[in-house]
Amino acid sequence: EAQVTQNPRYLITVTGKKLTVTCSQNMNHEYMSWYRQDPGLGLRQIYYSMNVEVTDKGDVPEGYKVSRKEKRNFPLILESPSPNQTSLYFCASTPLLTDTQYFGPGTRLTVL
Amino acid sequence: AQSVTQPDIHITVSEGASLELRCNYSYGATPYLFWYVQSPGQGLQLLLKYFSGDTLVQGIKGFEAEFKRSQSSFNLRKPSVHWSDAAEYFCAVGNIGSARQLTFGSGTQLTVLP
Repeated sequence: EAQVTQNPRYLITVTGKKLTVTCSQNMNHEYMSWYRQDPGLGLRQIYYSMNVEVTDKGDVPEGYKVSRKEKRNFPLILESPSPNQTSLYFCASTPLLTDTQYFGPGTRLTVL
Repeated sequence: AQSVTQPDIHITVSEGASLELRCNYSYGATPYLFWYVQSPGQGLQLLLKYFSGDTLVQGIKGFEAEFKRSQSSFNLRKPSVHWSDAAEYFCAVGNIGSARQLTFGSGTQLTVLP
């Protein structure tokens, strides 16, 4: 089944404890991105990647890192999480010749 | 910079009634426009999209949307709402050169009364 998977789906952590949210897609899509969703703000793009080893900042990149060492994986890294990063996070992938994004199920992160 | 406004935070309709969700965008060139739906606890699912051509776009689940350039709008419609349509709906805009970088509206929460 073609899909975007994220792990974990739920995470509660404490301020300053490094964490990684994984994202994987099995559709061989070139483009991947991370969004955060906050009430009343819709989805805002954090980072995106056009292909392996090519990443760029979105609208709200502060406090986040990403890497794209393999085409299928695009992990989101929070080196030192803070409470304002409590949010619902979505990963998405897009094939090269279309503009339709396929979203993962989301990761709900709480930083205490 | 591109932006999207969904003026209705929450809409309540009765099952079987018609629905229109509003979306206004701001973008200098020809936009790519999308409507996504998010059911509780789920990711986003694409309902429909507009790139060019016919300004009335048909999507899944009986939804349609009409692109009106003069009004900078891309409103979503459904003639008869089902209880399963209760969800949050997001309008998004992207540019032709990089439509993968979408700007989303803040969403409209739809409640359907029996």
